[in-house]
Amino acid sequence: DAGITQSPRYKITETGRQVTLMCHQTWSHSYMFWYRQDLGHGLRLIYYSAAADITDKGEVPDGYVVSRSKTENFPLTLESATRSQTSVYFCASSAGNSGGYTFGSGTRLTVV
Amino acid sequence: RKEVEQDPGPFNVPEGATVAFNCTYSNSASQSFFWYRQDCRKEPKLLMSVYSSGNEDGRFTAQLNRASQYISLLIRDSKLSDSATYLCVVSGEGAQKLVFGQGTRLTINP
Repeated sequence: DAGITQSPRYKITETGRQVTLMCHQTWSHSYMFWYRQDLGHGLRLIYYSAAADITDKGEVPDGYVVSRSKTENFPLTLESATRSQTSVYFCASSAGNSGGYTFGSGTRLTVV
Repeated sequence: RKEVEQDPGPFNVPEGATVAFNCTYSNSASQSFFWYRQDCRKEPKLLMSVYSSGNEDGRFTAQLNRASQYISLLIRDSKLSDSATYLCVVSGEGAQKLVFGQGTRLTINP
């Protein structure tokens, strides 16, 4: 199906484990973004990518790693999960025409 | 100071009422402005872009005041289905980076 999909929808992991959240879009959008959403903080940008092989840090990048070897995929990896990374993670994409973003349905991550 | 500030609410209004939200932004170089809607436990969805001349989409009217750096959203004849959190969004450094306000929670009561 066309669109932007995130997987998994829900994930529980233990402190110290590595976990990867997947994001896939079928529009060939140039720009992709990862946000986390927490009560009291709203949406905060973790990393973004302007094109394949081009990534840059956002507001809260510490503890996260991204890659973009293909235009359609933008995985987010938590290298060593901490409880403070318990959050809802949203991936988004944009065509780059200042038309706003389209978001995936989110991944609810709990670190225990 | 936050880049985008909104009154978090909650706003509780009766069905059929008119409700207005404002937000202010700090980056005078911002060029793109949007209102997003987010339902509980769902992803944000684009409600409408905001243009300098103001724009309307059905019951929704958005306005931008660049001089005062604020954006407004007016909802007329509110419906129960309008209950959601409304996010004010402004472009940040680089036109493609968007900064989100924390949102204003709206509940329409029957």
